Amino acid sequence: AQSVAQPEDQVNVAEGNPLTVKCTYSVSGNPYLFWYVQYPNRGLQFLLKYITGDNLVKGSYGFEAEFNKSQTSFHLKKPSALVSDSALYFCAVRDVGTNAGKSTFGDGTTLTVKP
Amino acid sequence: DTAVSQTPKYLVTQMGNDKSIKCEQNLGHDTMYWYKQDSKKFLKIMFSYNNKELIINETVPNRFSPKSPDKAHLNLHINSLELGDSAVYFCASSQGLAFSTGELFFGEGSRLTVL
Repeated sequence: AQSVAQPEDQVNVAEGNPLTVKCTYSVSGNPYLFWYVQYPNRGLQFLLKYITGDNLVKGSYGFEAEFNKSQTSFHLKKPSALVSDSALYFCAVRDVGTNAGKSTFGDGTTLTVKP
Repeated sequence: DTAVSQTPKYLVTQMGNDKSIKCEQNLGHDTMYWYKQDSKKFLKIMFSYNNKELIINETVPNRFSPKSPDKAHLNLHINSLELGDSAVYFCASSQGLAFSTGELFFGEGSRLTVL
């Protein structure tokens, strides 16, 4: 079975400070990992993904994430937060080759960036 | 030009009624999904179709019946609605199945309220 944990329900940062939203995963094989963002009353939007290769992946809106196989983590980061980054963030995992392409989502982390 | 579109955006209905939600994608993807997001914003997969074939059925009550007339459309019909069915239902699409690296593209959601 595959699973994702986002240990923080809420992350608060000041504008201009770096931000980190944490994600750990569990799969039986190799993982494909994704981050999505959801603004109020909107659908989820894809931010970035790790498939293979460089452990640091860059995505939309200046976000990046670091894949750490030994810690089974895929934390989302941004060097300088903007108020407009405030949203609900979801980490998702897909176990390669199994589960018919099913993506499992974490419970979400609400990011609030204060001016 | 909306990539994944769902209708209606809002549904308010009485317990016991039957309702349908429609979804269409113009991305040329071959896999479509229904996800349910509850009041706590948790996101759970319900169904997945690949080229009109049901691939994933996540122990959803059989009051929920998906139908895929072609690979660009996936509809969701719900019989005998219950209070617990109140949620936001998201349609999504992606390219490929188990070995696909493709991310999910989500619609804007259909908010169902059962009174």
